[in-house]
Amino acid sequence: SYELTQPPSVSVAPGETARLTCGGNNIGSKSVHWFQQKPGQAPVLVIYYDTERPSGIPERFSGSNSWNTATLTISRVEAGDEAEYYCQVWDSISEYVFGGGTKVTVL
Amino acid sequence: QITLKESGPTVVKPTQTLTLTCACSGFSLTTSGAGVGWIRQPPGKALEWLAVIYWDDDKRYSASLKTRLTVTKDTSKNQVVLRMTNMDPVDTATYYCAHEYSGSYYFDSWGQGTLVTVSS
Repeated sequence: SYELTQPPSVSVAPGETARLTCGGNNIGSKSVHWFQQKPGQAPVLVIYYDTERPSGIPERFSGSNSWNTATLTISRVEAGDEAEYYCQVWDSISEYVFGGGTKVTVL
Repeated sequence: QITLKESGPTVVKPTQTLTLTCACSGFSLTTSGAGVGWIRQPPGKALEWLAVIYWDDDKRYSASLKTRLTVTKDTSKNQVVLRMTNMDPVDTATYYCAHEYSGSYYFDSWGQGTLVTVSS
């Protein structure tokens, strides 16, 4: 089965840049989607198809995907960005696969 | 605006069957391309995909749970129903339904979720 690996936590100071990684075997050949989940809330799509932002998502959120690592970048981090972030891909065998999540803490 | 809302029991006993309903609005389950998925999240843990059903009644299930899952739709009510048999305490989780446009392979709108506890 296909697996996605995310670091459990990332800490970043306000105004700085957070880079969240999502590792998978040849993930660069797949489309990666990212979700933000705040405590007690449902996940919210923040990036789809590697780099696309849904309407309403700030430009501070961007994505990239190459080789074995996809990255969600949050620029000019704000306190409101503190949340759990999940990456997700579709695999022909495993179908919808989610990563283990990364908790972003704003210092 | 697409909205989804889950409903069902908050507590089920071990070995019982769980039935959850997802009420959908802002789109029709009969419209070409419409899809609704189910995803769960045990307390403090990651998201896990369970199943998805599409407008043409195509259905997909998680390989690890497919023997226990059934997903159906009621187009007259614009609702999707998930059934999971033989519930166990490890199935305690928040269950979400979410919208997918067929072939996109991501869920763009999610319901608020419903917490189901499995306990005797």
